[in-house]
Amino acid sequence: EPEVTQTPSHQVTQMGQEVILRCVPISNHLYFYWYRQILGQKVEFLVSFYNNEISEKSEIFDDQFSVERPDGSNFTLKIRSTKLEDSAMYFCASSSFQPNTGELFFGEGSRLTVL
Amino acid sequence: AQKITQTQPGMFVQEKEAVTLDCTYDTSDPSYGLFWYKQPSSGEMIFLIYQGSYDQQNATEGRYSLNFQKARKSANLVISASQLGDSAMYFCAMRDPDHNQFYFGTGTSLTVIP
Repeated sequence: EPEVTQTPSHQVTQMGQEVILRCVPISNHLYFYWYRQILGQKVEFLVSFYNNEISEKSEIFDDQFSVERPDGSNFTLKIRSTKLEDSAMYFCASSSFQPNTGELFFGEGSRLTVL
Repeated sequence: AQKITQTQPGMFVQEKEAVTLDCTYDTSDPSYGLFWYKQPSSGEMIFLIYQGSYDQQNATEGRYSLNFQKARKSANLVISASQLGDSAMYFCAMRDPDHNQFYFGTGTSLTVIP
């Protein structure tokens, strides 16, 4: 069964460092997303990506964040200068073309710990 | 504005009993999709069930069913014959095709008691 894969599963970094989280969405999906979940809290939307550009982004997704699809398979989230409050589980997700029936397929998440 | 509301932060159910997890949503778009996801303690998000706004019948997937009441804008998840492995967080979500977003509720923590 096709799945979304994310690397790394866990990353520990120092405050102020750059972090890149990587995702390989399901191959025939066209919509890609990043969500984050601070421990024990709700799942928060960060950004959606379609047709090689950002289609929506939340207030959380400020200038410190960027996304890229560098090679047609990987989908990356970069945090330029991490803050303590960036510590969270980051989920990548993808969905098919169908706007209403395509559920989000989530990766297993990348846990980021900022010290 | 809050798009998805889950008013039950925590629920308990006896093993083998049925439980209903509440979800209400807010949209003015006639076309939308409603989803439920399960998040066990391991952290992954597992898709459970989908209901389209134009679907005439309530969705069912095994022990999961969705009680869709469009006029009340509610999409409650019913889990029948609860099992210990059902203990997890459950998130209701809505897909907004106009904004290419999924909106998630705050989740309900379900504990199944032996």
